[in-house]
This record gives sequence, C-alpha cells and structure tokens, in this order.
Amino acid sequence: KAGVTQTPRYLIKTRGQQVTLSCSPISGHRSVSWYQQTPGQGLQFLFEYFSETQRNKGNFPGRFSGRQFSNSRSEMNVSTLELGDSALYLCASSLTSGGLLSSYNEQFFGPGTRLTVL
Amino acid sequence: GQQLNQSPQSMFIQEGEDVSMNCTSSSIFNTWLWYKQEPGEGPVLLIALYKAGELTSNGRLTAQFGITRKDSFLNISASIPSDVGIYFCAGQINAGGTSYGKLTFGQGTILTVHP
Repeated sequence: KAGVTQTPRYLIKTRGQQVTLSCSPISGHRSVSWYQQTPGQGLQFLFEYFSETQRNKGNFPGRFSGRQFSNSRSEMNVSTLELGDSALYLCASSLTSGGLLSSYNEQFFGPGTRLTVL
Repeated sequence: GQQLNQSPQSMFIQEGEDVSMNCTSSSIFNTWLWYKQEPGEGPVLLIALYKAGELTSNGRLTAQFGITRKDSFLNISASIPSDVGIYFCAGQINAGGTSYGKLTFGQGTILTVHP
C-alpha cells in the first residue's frame, strides 16, 4: 500500500511569509504527527492529530499550527517565517496513538518537506 | 526539549564488521524504536520494542529494550554498504494525554561502511 506522502517536497520562502505543508497518511491511519528536523536540534515533535483533533503539542511558538481533515489528511502552517524555521518538516502516520502498547502506535514517516527561509 | 543520549555520534567501519550503538535516557519510556534515515528521505522504522528486557531481531539487526526502561541498544551484524545512513533511537510513552503521538529522538549515529 502507498506510504505517507508529503507535498511539496521543497519550498523556498522569505522571512515574514507564511507557508502551508500537506501530509497524506497511509490509508486507514488516523493519527498524524509532525516533526521538525534541523542539524542543531535534531528531530523535535510539533503536534499530533487524531480524528480532526489536536491532542498533543510540542514546545513550539504559536506561529506553528496545524489541522486534520475528516479523511485524516493533515496540514501544518507556519506564519511570519523566520530564518530559524528552515528545516525538514516530517509527517508520520499511525493507526492509533497512545493507550495500549501496540504496533498500532508505530509511526511511519513521509519523505518530508524541505523548507528554506531566506 | 528532552532528548535521548545516543552514542556514538558517528562510526566508520569496514564491510563485514559488526556495529553497536546505544541510547540512554534519564526518563522511563515504555516503547523504544529504532529508525534509519537516508539522504532525502524520512526515517524508516527498523525495530520496535515494547517490553523491558525484550530482545528483537530483524534480519541482521538486533535491538534490546533495557531492563530499567531507560536505555536500548541496536546491533548490526556483518555490515554491508547499503547499511550506510543515520540511525536514530526514539522513545515513546504510551499513556495518553501529553504523550499522544510524541516520539523523543536521539541525536543520531552516522554510519559509514567502507567496501
């Protein structure tokens, strides 16, 4: 079956602009999590959505937001871009999240969107 | 934010050698995962561990969940050139609430295999 897809794969923006990234999870997966990957900070959790509800959020400013649609597809938005927002943004999907220890919680990552802020 | 301490940071080995890397944490996790990331791609799940003391293999890869639930290691036996990449450990707390979806990652181990 098809894996997690993310669009666009590459994006160049300038400071102050906003950007929207899209993620389509594996068919049947209802949980979508977003991560930021930078050389300095590594992989950092942004937020998680399940059934169109944000259930968890990492330590990022309010400029970072997201949403999930009824078909489980998710978008994340970054407003008022800063140079430090340049990163690889990764989306991961799983069948479920939290609760019982189970392979249902295993997260599968997409290829990411490489955002460059000039 | 919280991170796992992963070591070594990088390894340069000859094809055929065995490799070992590990992760430690000051906090308890009840799931440990190992991922591999290649250039231009997202991390790919290699092994998932759910029980303290658990030892799991996936081909030439073997991983263990530490008894204290604060550490894990990954071994790769008889390395081959396609093992090249960055290996990440990740911990997860499956208790709902602020743990939903959140993986905490190590800094990664860059593996280079010389033919």
